[in-house]
Amino acid sequence: SQQGEEDPQALSIQEGENATMNCSYKTSINNLQWYRQNSGRGLVHLILIRSNEREKHSGRLRVTLDTSKKSSSLLITASRAADTASYFCATDAYGGTASKLTFGTGTRLQVTL
Amino acid sequence: EAQVTQNPRYLITVTGKKLTVTCSQNMNHEYMSWYRQDPGLGLRQIYYSMNVEVTDKGDVPEGYKVSRKEKRNFPLILESPSPNQTSLYFCASNPGQGWDTEAFFGQGTRLTVV
Repeated sequence: SQQGEEDPQALSIQEGENATMNCSYKTSINNLQWYRQNSGRGLVHLILIRSNEREKHSGRLRVTLDTSKKSSSLLITASRAADTASYFCATDAYGGTASKLTFGTGTRLQVTL
Repeated sequence: EAQVTQNPRYLITVTGKKLTVTCSQNMNHEYMSWYRQDPGLGLRQIYYSMNVEVTDKGDVPEGYKVSRKEKRNFPLILESPSPNQTSLYFCASNPGQGWDTEAFFGQGTRLTVV
């Protein structure tokens, strides 16, 4: 089963507005990462937040992590049409003798002019 | 330029005809992994490798094989492809010990099995 589940599945906003996506996960993690995917292309790493961190910023991106609720949020401020993409959270959860990266199902963001 | 290269980008094949999707990275990363992406299911890990000759199953390994004879290469082998393996496949590599740093992804291989 998927470790991460994003919410909402799809989000449509106008340019200039903020976009917030949420991710919930099930087991203890070492870190949580957010990735972006343009239609049918490879994934691009956006930001990584470790389990002992609560908030992290990178440019127009703000990520929060609440390990007690097993949830994270990605906020994109002042969105642009170029932000249109799918966004995935991924968790580094231990399995067996080595950790692995497990992805959620993604949020499809549409930013219109 | 640091990159993960997959080949081919597109492939149409028939059921039962063995195929290999190659993956190569030029960043001297130890960790590499294969994922498949299907609508509504997100990315699911097929196999991963922690170093040369060290591989392990991911969440959906059935019908796939991998090998890691060299650090830079991690091919995905479908011995007898079936239509349910029609999917978009991604190779990824990671420089860290475990997945505690960003992963670098290839551009994907869209496979259709008829």
